[in-house]
Amino acid sequence: SQQGEEDPQALSIQEGENATMNCSYKTSINNLQWYRQNSGRGLVHLILIRSNEREKHSGRLRVTLDTSKKSSSLLITASRAADTASYFCAKEPSYGKLTFGQGTILTVHP
Amino acid sequence: EPEVTQTPSHQVTQMGQEVILRCVPISNHLYFYWYRQILGQKVEFLVSFYNNEISEKSEIFDDQFSVERPDGSNFTLKIRSTKLEDSAMYFCASSMTGGYTNYGYTFGSGTRLTVV
Repeated sequence: SQQGEEDPQALSIQEGENATMNCSYKTSINNLQWYRQNSGRGLVHLILIRSNEREKHSGRLRVTLDTSKKSSSLLITASRAADTASYFCAKEPSYGKLTFGQGTILTVHP
Repeated sequence: EPEVTQTPSHQVTQMGQEVILRCVPISNHLYFYWYRQILGQKVEFLVSFYNNEISEKSEIFDDQFSVERPDGSNFTLKIRSTKLEDSAMYFCASSMTGGYTNYGYTFGSGTRLTVV
């Protein structure tokens, strides 16, 4: 399967702590994207990292990509209660077709 | 900020009935997609659409499904004869460049389809 698999499946932290989520995949990709989904809502694009990039930052988000290990990580620094959501990695083996993982449910306690 | 709009937010239909899910993509986007998420499962790609034709479709997108851009602003997904297993959240997404930029895809809030 080409689908990204996240771990942990669930993560519970205190506000102010950092949250790290990991994603693994099995085949080659053009890029890997991270999305967030609040309960019952749509998917919000967070960040995209291309296969020739190793690290990318956007605000409190830091994404790394290790193509040799076929893995990526999403780090949210100084988490807030409003960061509580499900986070998905999505691989784009061919443009326009995202393959999503199962997601990590992040709960940030105030 | 521009949004992808989906209607209705929730639709209940009887098995065997036809449903049309509607989406208004972002106005200057050229690539359009449908995904679905069965409760508790992964988000799955259904179909991509560009230049008034299907670019790619998944195994799920069989003959009971069709897509259309009827008037230059709406993008619809039709399910001809719904089955119980079609119950899911259906997401529309659009993109300006189909993945060639850093902006990813813009998803709508989804239509929850319940087949009874």
